[in-house]
Amino acid sequence: AQSVTQLGSHVSVSEGALVLLRCNYSSSVPPYLFWYVQYPNQGLQLLLKYTSAATLVKGINGFEAEFKKSETSFHLTKPSAHMSDAAEYFCAVSIRRDFGNEKLTFGTGTRLTIIP
Amino acid sequence: DGGITQSPKYLFRKEGQNVTLSCEQNLNHDAMYWYRQDPGQGLRLIYYSQIVNDFQKGDIAEGYSVSREKKESFPLTVTSAQKNPTAFYLCASSMTGRAVGELFFGEGSRLTVL
Repeated sequence: AQSVTQLGSHVSVSEGALVLLRCNYSSSVPPYLFWYVQYPNQGLQLLLKYTSAATLVKGINGFEAEFKKSETSFHLTKPSAHMSDAAEYFCAVSIRRDFGNEKLTFGTGTRLTIIP
Repeated sequence: DGGITQSPKYLFRKEGQNVTLSCEQNLNHDAMYWYRQDPGQGLRLIYYSQIVNDFQKGDIAEGYSVSREKKESFPLTVTSAQKNPTAFYLCASSMTGRAVGELFFGEGSRLTVL
């Protein structure tokens, strides 16, 4: 069975500072990994995904994440935080299968607060 | 515009009542999902359906029921057997076999039991 652990349920950064949200995964087979963002009282939106191509994945809104197999990590970063980045972020994992498997397992989320 | 529509956005229910949450998509996606979201617990899968007239239990199916009579629709019924139904419910869809793992979400339905 696969799982993800997000370290830190709340993260606060100053506007303009580096954003780093941590995600570690557990999977017995090569995984697909995802980051989603959720704004208050809304659904989730895909930020980026890793599906075995480049290990450094670029997403929307200036976010990127690096897949590190040796560390079983997929941390999300953004060089300079903006007020509009305040939201909850979810890491998710899916096991690769030949015909696709969209049954994701989500982490518990990290709420990002931006300090003006 | 293509997307997923959930209704109602807010719903109040008395204990002992069943309630049905609607989910409609016009993305022509094969697969549809229901998740429950509680503070600090992330998203937990209730039911999912990969094709019309077929669905499978997720991790927390007890006290819930679903149907998939049409490709576009996947309603969720929260029954009186669900012990703690107050939560935020999210419906999602995906194109099975393509863009693996990319789910498209509705804006959610917040259910409060009085």
